[in-house]
This record gives sequence, C-alpha cells and structure tokens, in this order.
Amino acid sequence: AQKITQTQPGMFVQEKEAVTLDCTYDTSDPSYGLFWYKQPSSGEMIFLIYQGSYDQQNATEGRYSLNFQKARKSANLVISASQLGDSAMYFCAMRERYSGAGSYQLTFGKGTKLSVIP
Amino acid sequence: DSGVTQTPKHLITATGQRVTLRCSPRSGDLSVYWYQQSLDQGLQFLIQYYNGEERAKGNILERFSAQQFPDLHSELNLSSLELGDSALYFCASSAQDEYNEKLFFGSGTQLSVL
Repeated sequence: AQKITQTQPGMFVQEKEAVTLDCTYDTSDPSYGLFWYKQPSSGEMIFLIYQGSYDQQNATEGRYSLNFQKARKSANLVISASQLGDSAMYFCAMRERYSGAGSYQLTFGKGTKLSVIP
Repeated sequence: DSGVTQTPKHLITATGQRVTLRCSPRSGDLSVYWYQQSLDQGLQFLIQYYNGEERAKGNILERFSAQQFPDLHSELNLSSLELGDSALYFCASSAQDEYNEKLFFGSGTQLSVL
C-alpha cells in the first residue's frame, strides 16, 4: 500500500489565486510528521511546511498552510496568492518509525506539478 | 542554501564503471540520508547513517554501498553501473533522528550512465 498518495499529477492555477494540493497518508504509528517540499526545475528540494501528528492547530508558514485532517489521514497544502515562482513540483512526505527500527524515515509521494498561469 | 554540500553536481560515466558521490551534512547534524530520484520510481530512500553507523536501509541495491566518516561526511559508492542507475542522487541531513525533524537536502548529483 502507498504510504503517501498524491492524486493530482498536475495542476494549473491563475496567478494570485489560491490552490490546494492534495495528500493522503497511511500509517499506524501514533508519532509521525508530515512535510511538504518544493522542487523547482533547478532540482533542489526546498522545505515548505511541517505538521506533527500531535499538533492541534494547522501549520502555517507565510503563504503556505497545511490543512490537517487526522481522522481522514489527509494533509493538504494550501498556497495562497499564487506567484509565477510557485511553478514547481510539490512533494508530500511522511516521517514515521521505519520497519520497527529505532529510526524515522521520510517517505515521499509521487508529487504534483503545479503550473502558475499569468 | 540548505548547508548540505554534495559533489560532484554532474557525473557522466559508462556502464560497468564505479563512481563515488560525496556529501557533507550541515554543521552539527548527525544523521545523513541518501535518496535516489528517477522519473519512474520517484524519490526512493536508499540508506541512513547516524553518527558513523548505519541506521536504516531502504531500497539500496547490493551494487551500492555507503559509509559515514568520523567527520560525519558521507560517501555513496555505486559500482557495476547500469543504464537504469541514471538518476538524481540526493543527500540529506538532520540533527538527530526524530519524527518531527525536517531533512535538509543537498542540491543533488545528477548521474548519467551511458
């Protein structure tokens, strides 16, 4: 079973509009972290936002917010007031205990390619 | 700048060859992770080292090996290279090994096997 599912391979959004990128996850670990990373065409992986499994409030970082619905196991990224520079691949990732070992591994979804239209 | 340094940025080699990718983690970070990114497989976790010791193994082929040195830098060795090994290889680091820690990624090494 997929640990992280991103169902939107590609999305388009008009500049200055808001956009939601979907992410669902699967884990039985009570302690886990959810992350969103951005990968522009230049290739680097840029951290955007983090949500912990015990956090009561949705995380926000500037124009980024994470809509965390624990019962539904979803962690959607909302980008407000889209800019041309937001055009990139966006990856949802989950960090959970790895195979019973004493380590926490980060597993990525397949990503959503966001294109911002002027 | 994430503070994680990877060299080289690009590597072109032939099938059957062996290459070494190098990673310097952020200052003070004890955990180093290696990931492979390809179009068909996405971002795959390969291996993790923590303070010099192997901590977890992912989808790493037997032809691949890694190590972390006393100064905490890490190397990923890829041998008997095949065309399918062409990918972007990322190194990442974190201070410890906790679920609430983000990983800081290097800019990657683009490997092309011809």
